[in-house]
Amino acid sequence: KQEVTQIPAALSVPEGENLVLNCSFTDSAIYNLQWFRQDPGKGLTSLLLIQSSQREQTSGRLNASLDKSSGRSTLYIAASQPGDSATYLCAPRNAGNMLTFGGGTRLMVKP
Amino acid sequence: DAGVIQSPRHEVTEMGQEVTLRCKPISGHNSLFWYRQTMMRGLELLIYFNNNVPIDDSGMPEDRFSAKMPNASFSTLKIQPSEPRDSAVYFCAQGGNSYNEQFFGPGTRLTVL
Repeated sequence: KQEVTQIPAALSVPEGENLVLNCSFTDSAIYNLQWFRQDPGKGLTSLLLIQSSQREQTSGRLNASLDKSSGRSTLYIAASQPGDSATYLCAPRNAGNMLTFGGGTRLMVKP
Repeated sequence: DAGVIQSPRHEVTEMGQEVTLRCKPISGHNSLFWYRQTMMRGLELLIYFNNNVPIDDSGMPEDRFSAKMPNASFSTLKIQPSEPRDSAVYFCAQGGNSYNEQFFGPGTRLTVL
C-alpha cells in the first residue's frame, strides 16, 4: 500500500524567499505524481503533473522534480509571495488510476 | 468551462438522516472519483468510476455509503443513515486515464449533528 509523507508539515517564511517542499512515497511503481494547492475551505487546484518518465516540470515560479527510484519529489517555489500561502499536497498515482495523498505542507508567506 | 460542479456546498443534518451529495463532472473525461477529507485522516479515496462503471470501492467505509453514476454527466454519493463521524468535506474529482491530471470540484462540507 502506497504511503506518502510530506515534510515539513508547516512552514512560515518572509516574502521573497525560495522554498523547497518535500514529498516521499514508499511504492516507486507510479505512473505520475501530481502537486496540488488547497486554500482554506476550498477545493484542490492542480499545479503540476509530472510523468514517471520525466525528471522535472515547470510552471511559472513553480518547479517540480521527481526521483522515482528513490521515491521522492520536490516542489520548488521561487520568490515566494503572500498569495502563495496555502496547503500544498503531493499525490503519486499508482496502477488503477488512484491517487494517494500526503498530509500536506501548510505554507505561510509573510509580507 | 465551469469545471466540476458539486451540490450542495454545505449540508447540515441530524444523525440518522439520509444525505445525498451530487457531482456534475466535466464532459469528455471518463473517470470520476469521490474523496473524503478530514483533519484526522486527510484525503481518502472512497470510490472511483471509469466509463460510469464502479472500478474500485474499497475505500467506502461501510454499507451505509453508496455511490452511483447513472450517466457520464452525473454522480451521487449517498449516506444512509448518517452518523456524526461522517462529518467531513467530500470531493468529487474527474480525470482521464492514468496519465492525465485529476481535477477537483469545490467540495461539499457535511456536518452531521
